[in-house]
Amino acid sequence: NAGVTQTPKFQVLKTGQSMTLQCAQDMNHEYMSWYRQDPGMGLRLIHYSVGAGITDQGEVPNGYNVSRSTTEDFPLRLLSAAPSQTSVYFCASRDALLASGRADTQYFGPGTRLTVL
Amino acid sequence: AQSVTQLGSHVSVSEGALVLLRCNYSSSVPPYLFWYVQYPNQGLQLLLKYTTGATLVKGINGFEAEFKKSETSFHLTKPSAHMSDAAEYFCAVTDYGGSQGNLIFGKGTKLSVKP
Repeated sequence: NAGVTQTPKFQVLKTGQSMTLQCAQDMNHEYMSWYRQDPGMGLRLIHYSVGAGITDQGEVPNGYNVSRSTTEDFPLRLLSAAPSQTSVYFCASRDALLASGRADTQYFGPGTRLTVL
Repeated sequence: AQSVTQLGSHVSVSEGALVLLRCNYSSSVPPYLFWYVQYPNQGLQLLLKYTTGATLVKGINGFEAEFKKSETSFHLTKPSAHMSDAAEYFCAVTDYGGSQGNLIFGKGTKLSVKP
């Protein structure tokens, strides 16, 4: 299994440009999520999905769009890039909630380092 | 709502010394707790987790953590630090209820190991 894969690894954008960060997983996980990591801030949840066709907002969703047409893929779209979106982006996936109603381990991709000039 | 506090954004130890990284959580229900490690320019890797059962949890690379409900803590320890342990460590708790079990992270602790 490749696990969680992300492309590209690095990207430089100009303010106002749009782009899509790709994320795929081959573990048949129902749940997928996107985080951004900024120095001193930890990881903050942008959007998540509990299955194909179902998405929801996390803590910092503004300026980002997602869709989930298949179980395997969960792309993150930047509609009009801003310097404040300079960050490292991580995609993660896990199985559905356990019978206890709680969530088990999330598996993370290698990240995309994005710079917006 | 659940939250996680990691005490100390930077911790420096000498090689061979004890590693102690502190994590306190708040949760209205019994939590699931995780420690992830991030090596430079890499993604996050699960170090260990507590779900139910034994409160002392052993992970990879000689790390362990103890869940203490009375202290709402889940501190990470390793008896003897190695140079390869230099990384950033994140404590996380799973949210519970309507938010579908999203992970809530602490802000991270960067561990430096001096020769």
